[in-house]
Amino acid sequence: DAGVTQSPTHLIKTRGQQVTLRCSPISGHKSVSWYQQVLGQGPQFIFQYYEKEERGRGNFPDRFSARQFPNYSSELNVNALLLGDSALYLCASSLGQGIGEAFFGQGTRLTVV
Amino acid sequence: QKEVEQDPGPLSVPEGAIVSLNCTYSNSAFQYFMWYRQYSRKGPELLMYTYSSGNKEDGRFTAQVDKSSKYISLFIRDSQPSDSATYLCAMSRGFSGGYNKLIFGAGTRLAVHP
Repeated sequence: DAGVTQSPTHLIKTRGQQVTLRCSPISGHKSVSWYQQVLGQGPQFIFQYYEKEERGRGNFPDRFSARQFPNYSSELNVNALLLGDSALYLCASSLGQGIGEAFFGQGTRLTVV
Repeated sequence: QKEVEQDPGPLSVPEGAIVSLNCTYSNSAFQYFMWYRQYSRKGPELLMYTYSSGNKEDGRFTAQVDKSSKYISLFIRDSQPSDSATYLCAMSRGFSGGYNKLIFGAGTRLAVHP
């Protein structure tokens, strides 16, 4: 059974550019959450999506947006990239909207130069 | 003050040792507690998932939750070099406000040497 898949694995962007990160959840899972992990810190919650609707948002600026598709895959978009956006972006898949184990993908490492 | 505090280590132990990893937290509303293992440049891997207070054992791993003290622990028995990784604790209030958000500690780096 395939786990959570994220693409691309690595990405280098220039300040001011825009980036789109992609996530496919575990088959049967309807909830996707996005987290940002800066080096040396734990992941920070960005968004949760369930049944194609945004259900929760963390303390991130409006430059961050996301969406979920009918097949439950998801995209995270970041506009006007800043150097501080350099991080590992993680997608977590869970069965439902509420509590349940959250399984993470391998992440997308974004470097902004 | 952070909601979840975790000693970043590094923690270095010999192979075969019992490892104790800990987190404290301040929000008494947390009900669900998790431990993740993260190898360098990889995504976190779920090790243990527990609800409320008590113990849970899975192979060489034991998770303990003491809600009265706001303290959780992960014990690793017979530690192996392959256990060398960063261990993240995470917790959640549950289905609060219509969504579920995990709050993570900063992670403890563990090195098990042969």
